[in-house]
Amino acid sequence: GQNIDQPTEMTATEGAIVQINCTYQTSGFNGLFWYQQHAGEAPTFLSYNVLDGLEEKGRFSSFLSRSKGYSYLLLKELQMKDSASYLCAVRDRKGGSYIPTFGRGTSLIVHP
Amino acid sequence: DAGITQSPRHKVTETGTPVTLRCHQTENHRYMYWYRQDPGHGLRLIHYSYGVKDTDKGEVSDGYSVSRSKTEDFLLTLESATSSQTSVYFCAISDGGGPDTQYFGPGTRLTVL
Repeated sequence: GQNIDQPTEMTATEGAIVQINCTYQTSGFNGLFWYQQHAGEAPTFLSYNVLDGLEEKGRFSSFLSRSKGYSYLLLKELQMKDSASYLCAVRDRKGGSYIPTFGRGTSLIVHP
Repeated sequence: DAGITQSPRHKVTETGTPVTLRCHQTENHRYMYWYRQDPGHGLRLIHYSYGVKDTDKGEVSDGYSVSRSKTEDFLLTLESATSSQTSVYFCAISDGGGPDTQYFGPGTRLTVL
């Protein structure tokens, strides 16, 4: 099975930078995803890491260290609309398929 | 946006009744998934399908069954609904290739009284 851990809630100020961490334990790692979910809406894809290092996409970056079982999502120049839940998902082998398992999500509150 | 719809979007039912939720995709993706989302638990996988008539259980499959008779449709059935199955249900699809990103439907809010 998997154990995925991320903070329950974080707060930050508009214009600042925030880092959301995700740690995991898995036997057959095959990629890590970050999703954003606004209240009352469906999750939407933000980033994907399968190799160690940093992936940058505009104001959002995601980092992976497979040896440490660790990832983070970095949000720069925070905007009010970034207030949402951020879900870390780790893909692992299940039978003949690779299936993601989600952490419980981190609720980010951005203050003016 | 991926073409994925769910029906109904909202449903209120009574304990003991059967309920079927439908997920429909127009992307011809191989994989389809059913999740439930509850406060404090995040998204938990109920069942998934890796092809027509090919399905497997997720971590919270008890009390649920699924069927996939066509590529585009994945049905989730609660055989006898209980109050513990009150939740928001999300369907997701992915194409099975790298990176195999999941795209989610809008969700169904189910209340079992």
